[in-house]
Amino acid sequence: DAKTTQPTSMDCAEGRAANLPCNHSTISGNEYVYWYRQIHSQGPQYIIHGLKNNETNEMASLIITEDRKSSTLILPHATLRDTAVYYCIVRVFKTSGSRLTFGEGTQLTVNP
Amino acid sequence: SAVISQKPSRDICQRGTSLTIQCQVDSQVTMMFWYRQQPGQSLTLIATANQGSEATYESGFVIDKFPISRPNLTFSTLTVSNMSPEDSSIYLCSVGTYPSTSGGRNEQYFGPGTRLTVT
Repeated sequence: DAKTTQPTSMDCAEGRAANLPCNHSTISGNEYVYWYRQIHSQGPQYIIHGLKNNETNEMASLIITEDRKSSTLILPHATLRDTAVYYCIVRVFKTSGSRLTFGEGTQLTVNP
Repeated sequence: SAVISQKPSRDICQRGTSLTIQCQVDSQVTMMFWYRQQPGQSLTLIATANQGSEATYESGFVIDKFPISRPNLTFSTLTVSNMSPEDSSIYLCSVGTYPSTSGGRNEQYFGPGTRLTVT
């Protein structure tokens, strides 16, 4: 699986958009970009994933650059409960299943 | 989605002893994994629990130290053997459900974790 690079930490004001970047310059054509987050003392939670098109769900939006070498997770209106470590993970989709490899992630702190 | 429970939620153990952690899922799942999260660190995959066969261990983890069982599609155990203070971590069970349709949605869910302290 391709490696990812994320900033160690970021701050965001409550109610503003949080934009979390991720570099994955060695991504292969069949690898998807996944985002998970881990709120303190809880297990990681799936947020969103994409291959090459931008994606949006009830939690967030994912913007993937045309060359697929980087992506941005957008939380449109951050709340205090969004304070967490956010992990960007790149991996191949397999119907037989594939494991997640976690990097260090970005600690997002949403401030009142 | 899958609901995962782990027992115990936390424990304090003496060095040299062993602890078995249980993971129960509310539905049959294809894949079950065990992760370790040391204090202030990211998650590290220990092994993939295979139903009916030996677990597949990641580099740096061995069966003698972390024996794993998976007797069916909803249950798995991880034992931390001959514990030392370096084993103090959160141990997380994770499960994967992989729909046959395309779209890359490898659903993976995590349990609440077992916080282990070894003294």
